[in-house]
Amino acid sequence: KAGVTQTPRYLIKTRGQQVTLSCSPISGHRSVSWYQQTPGQGLQFLFEYFSETQRNKGNFPGRFSGRQFSNSRSEMNVSTLELGDSALYLCASSPGGGSGGGNEQFFGPGTRLTVL
Amino acid sequence: GNSVTQMEGPVTLSEEAFLTINCTYTATGYPSLFWYVQYPGEGLQLLLKATKADDKGSNKGFEATYRKETTSFHLEKGSVQVSDSAVYFCALSDRGGGGADGLTFGKGTHLIIQP
Repeated sequence: KAGVTQTPRYLIKTRGQQVTLSCSPISGHRSVSWYQQTPGQGLQFLFEYFSETQRNKGNFPGRFSGRQFSNSRSEMNVSTLELGDSALYLCASSPGGGSGGGNEQFFGPGTRLTVL
Repeated sequence: GNSVTQMEGPVTLSEEAFLTINCTYTATGYPSLFWYVQYPGEGLQLLLKATKADDKGSNKGFEATYRKETTSFHLEKGSVQVSDSAVYFCALSDRGGGGADGLTFGKGTHLIIQP
């Protein structure tokens, strides 16, 4: 099985712009989660989508949004970019479903976003 | 809310030394516990997991035991290698949180193994 893929791998934007990141989960996985990784804050949970519905959300401003398509692929959008949004954005997929909790999450390589 | 606390390091050891990375957690429900590893320039890989109290997760010589009484999940390895140099993250997933799969991570421990 192919792993989790994320595009693009690297992105440079300027303040005020918006950006869309894409994630393709492992085939058959229905849950996709997004995380932000920065040196100062570490890994922080953004949101999780399951069957095209946002099922869980972290503590991030409304500038961060996402969606999931019927094929389980997911996109994350950040509007009005700020310097502090520079980070590695990681996507993870899992089978999802009712078991929750113990499902292993498989991570993609991440998208490195730099905001100038 | 949920939280994970782990030593941040860097932790520097000589090859073949014994490794312990401490991890403690706070959770409102019945969490599953995980150790992830991140090599330079890569995403996270699951190293091991435990889904209930007293479970022991193990993989590649690493092991960790889910201790509910001390709310801990310390990572150990008997003899480390240079190739174990990486950042290690302790994480939990709280089933009590409605079945969602969002993980709460510790800050990560940078491990450096010297030959």
